[in-house]
Amino acid sequence: EAGVTQSPTHLIKTRGQQATLRCSPISGHTSVYWYQQALGLGLQFLLWYDEGEERNRGNFPPRFSGRQFPNYSSELNVNALELEDSALYLCASSLRAPGGVRYGYTFGSGTRLTVV
Amino acid sequence: GQNIDQPTEMTATEGAIVQINCTYQTSGFNGLFWYQQHAGEAPTFLSYNVLDGLEEKGRFSSFLSRSKGYSYLLLKELQMKDSASYLCAVKGGATNKLIFGTGTLLAVQP
Repeated sequence: EAGVTQSPTHLIKTRGQQATLRCSPISGHTSVYWYQQALGLGLQFLLWYDEGEERNRGNFPPRFSGRQFPNYSSELNVNALELEDSALYLCASSLRAPGGVRYGYTFGSGTRLTVV
Repeated sequence: GQNIDQPTEMTATEGAIVQINCTYQTSGFNGLFWYQQHAGEAPTFLSYNVLDGLEEKGRFSSFLSRSKGYSYLLLKELQMKDSASYLCAVKGGATNKLIFGTGTLLAVQP
């Protein structure tokens, strides 16, 4: 079974540009979560998609947005990039509760975004 | 809201036992998870507790006390490869999503 896949692995952008990060969940998982992990900080919750809809977003500005496609894959878009957006962006997927509760989330390897 | 606290760093010796503590506050509780994250890699699932008590899985065990808002991860027979960050995460709150602590960086020394 393929795990959660994210692309690209690394991304370098200039301040003010836009970045698009992609995530494919494990087959059968309908929920996709996005987290930001800045250097030295914990995982900060960004967005949660389930069944194509945004279910919840964390305390991030509106320039962080995304969507979930009918095949449950997801995109994270970051507009007007700032230097402090440099971080590892992790995507995770899960089954809908109750089946998914026991095993939490399965994470992808992340996209390392560097803003210069 | 939710709040999760765990030590920032710990050091232990190869072959020894180490206990990583986690305290939490949440307005709804649907389970506590421990993840392991090696530098530059994705977090990987270690354990899940939803009822009070100890869950054992090989060299790793996790304990939960819901009344105290407290959990610990116990690592036995430490190996060098156990050097990693250990993330405590709580599922709960109004939206039932997983909220992570900042992680404990464990260094295992020879």
